[in-house]
Amino acid sequence: AQKVTQAQTEISVVEKEDVTLDCVYETRDTTYYLFWYKQPPSGELVFLIRRNSFDEQNEISGRYSWNFQKSTSSFNFTITASQVVDSAVYFCALDHNYGQNFVFGPGTRLSVLP
Amino acid sequence: ETGVTQTPRHLVMGMTNKKSLKCEQHLGHNAMYWYKQSAKKPLELMFVYNFKEQTENNSVPSRFSPECPNSSHLFLHLHTLQPEDSALYLCASSQVAESSYEQYFGPGTRLTVT
Repeated sequence: AQKVTQAQTEISVVEKEDVTLDCVYETRDTTYYLFWYKQPPSGELVFLIRRNSFDEQNEISGRYSWNFQKSTSSFNFTITASQVVDSAVYFCALDHNYGQNFVFGPGTRLSVLP
Repeated sequence: ETGVTQTPRHLVMGMTNKKSLKCEQHLGHNAMYWYKQSAKKPLELMFVYNFKEQTENNSVPSRFSPECPNSSHLFLHLHTLQPEDSALYLCASSQVAESSYEQYFGPGTRLTVT
């Protein structure tokens, strides 16, 4: 069975601090895809990144970076120099069936305080 | 209109009412999804339509009835709902191919069953 765990339910940081959101997944498939989404208070999930199981390179996009480690089944997300606009719920997700069976983690609520 | 749109944004209905949620995607995708997001549970995938054919139904009660007349439109027909069905209903779309592509979400319909 597939499962995604986001152990941090809520995190609060002060603006300009760095913060890492953890994601641990379980799957028996050798080919799978991992995703991060952001859900601001407006409710709409915003796609951030997609990673396939064969690409363990870390990725950086502006203040965002992702660390994929197959050995520990983790796909962690770091925000550098956080800003108030980063306040949202962040979801990690796993898919192994071409989008037909997304499994989302429970989400981490991030609050960035001014 | 761009992206994925959903109407209405808010809906209050009694347990004996019949209503429908509408979703439209303007991205040229070939798959559409309904998710339920309630306060105490992770995002739950309800229905998947791939090339207008329903491919997944994750044990959703029959009081929820999906309809996909074409690859751009998706409906969720509701009847005799229960108060526990109150939730945010999210629609998403993606391009299904030989890889797993990200899903793009609409803003959701906030449903309250009284």
